[in-house]
Amino acid sequence: AQSVTQLDSQVPVFEEAPVELRCNYSSSVSVYLFWYVQYPNQGLQLLLKYLSGSTLVKGINGFEAEFNKSQTSFHLRKPSVHISDTAEYFCAVNIFYNQGGKLIFGQGTELSVKP
Amino acid sequence: DVKVTQSSRYLVKRTGEKVFLECVQDMDHENMFWYRQDPGLGLRLIYFSYDVKMKEKGDIPEGYSVSREKKERFSLILESASTNQTSMYLCASKGQGGTEAFFGQGTRLTVV
Repeated sequence: AQSVTQLDSQVPVFEEAPVELRCNYSSSVSVYLFWYVQYPNQGLQLLLKYLSGSTLVKGINGFEAEFNKSQTSFHLRKPSVHISDTAEYFCAVNIFYNQGGKLIFGQGTELSVKP
Repeated sequence: DVKVTQSSRYLVKRTGEKVFLECVQDMDHENMFWYRQDPGLGLRLIYFSYDVKMKEKGDIPEGYSVSREKKERFSLILESASTNQTSMYLCASKGQGGTEAFFGQGTRLTVV
């Protein structure tokens, strides 16, 4: 069965420190990979996505993620976080299914940036 | 501006009631999804649809059904609401392949 596992439920970090949010997935077929962010009391929005090609992808707000096929991982990183990055982050995979796609999400990681 | 609109922001229903949650998208997307979001559990897929009248079970379909009679509308039905279905429900729509999913604002359902 397909699944997405986010290894950390909460990540506290100080402002200007680097951060890595971990994501592993399980699928027997090719997938597309996404990271979404949900700011407090707001809807989900796309941070970045991996479809093919270069395994390092850059997204909005200085975030980047690296696809590792052998480890089935798609970890999200930022070299220096800001208070405004405090939010919940979701890793997602789109699995090819019939004529469409099945989009499944991980459990979420709460990033808390402290001054 | 792309839009996914859920019919209600907040709902309070009684145990045993039949509940309808409606979702409409204006982007001509083939794929639509219903999730429930609970703290610590992330977004769990209830049902999804890749075409009109087509539906597929997600990871937690028990107690729910769906309807997609028109491309733009995807309805979630709680056949007999129970207190453990109290949750935030999110609808999303998406084009084919690696395109971005767009989400509605969510419906917070409380079953009493």
